Amino acid sequence: AQTVTQSQPEMSVQEAETVTLSCTYDTSESDYYLFWYKQPPSRQMILVIRQEAYKQQNATENRFSVNFQKAAKSFSLKISDSQLGDAAMYFCAYRSAEESNFGNEKLTFGTGTRLTIIP
Amino acid sequence: AAGVIQSPRHLIKEKRETATLKCYPIPRHDTVYWYQQGPGQDPQFLISFYEKMQSDKGSIPDRFSAQQFSDYHSELNMSSLELGDSALYFCASSPIDGNTEAFFGQGTRLTVV
Repeated sequence: AQTVTQSQPEMSVQEAETVTLSCTYDTSESDYYLFWYKQPPSRQMILVIRQEAYKQQNATENRFSVNFQKAAKSFSLKISDSQLGDAAMYFCAYRSAEESNFGNEKLTFGTGTRLTIIP
Repeated sequence: AAGVIQSPRHLIKEKRETATLKCYPIPRHDTVYWYQQGPGQDPQFLISFYEKMQSDKGSIPDRFSAQQFSDYHSELNMSSLELGDSALYFCASSPIDGNTEAFFGQGTRLTVV
């Protein structure tokens, strides 16, 4: 079974600064996806960024980028130029992409990191 | 663009009652997932359906059952409710191409009193 670990229950950053959220995972699979989801106070689950394991290039979405280290099973999220609207709970998540799991692509989440933005 | 619709958004039930949560996936999405998120916890996978058949099962209590109908909407039925069932229940849907991430609904907040 796959596990996802987020070792930072809470993080804070000054507005306009950069912050990095950590995530490690454990799997025996070679083909998978990794995601970062944002959950603001509204509790909506919002996809921030995703990474395909077979791609060496780190994914980037505007101010959000990841540092994907497949050998180390590490997947950190960097938020640049932090804004007040970035305040939320951030979840790292894993999804299998193995053909044997076709139709069974559930997400396994980490325990989350609560990010606070300091004005 | 159409999103995943969940109803109701909020539900209050008494212990031992029954609740039914509904999920309407994005059009042309044939896979539906249900997750339970307790207070201060991460979402936990309950059950999923592909083409109206159960495709995977997680830590879903025997008191819960679910199905996917011919129009691809899904219902989660919860009986003999307990206080510990109070949680946010998410539905997510995805197409079966395997390359598209699941899209989440806004969730149903169930409170058992």
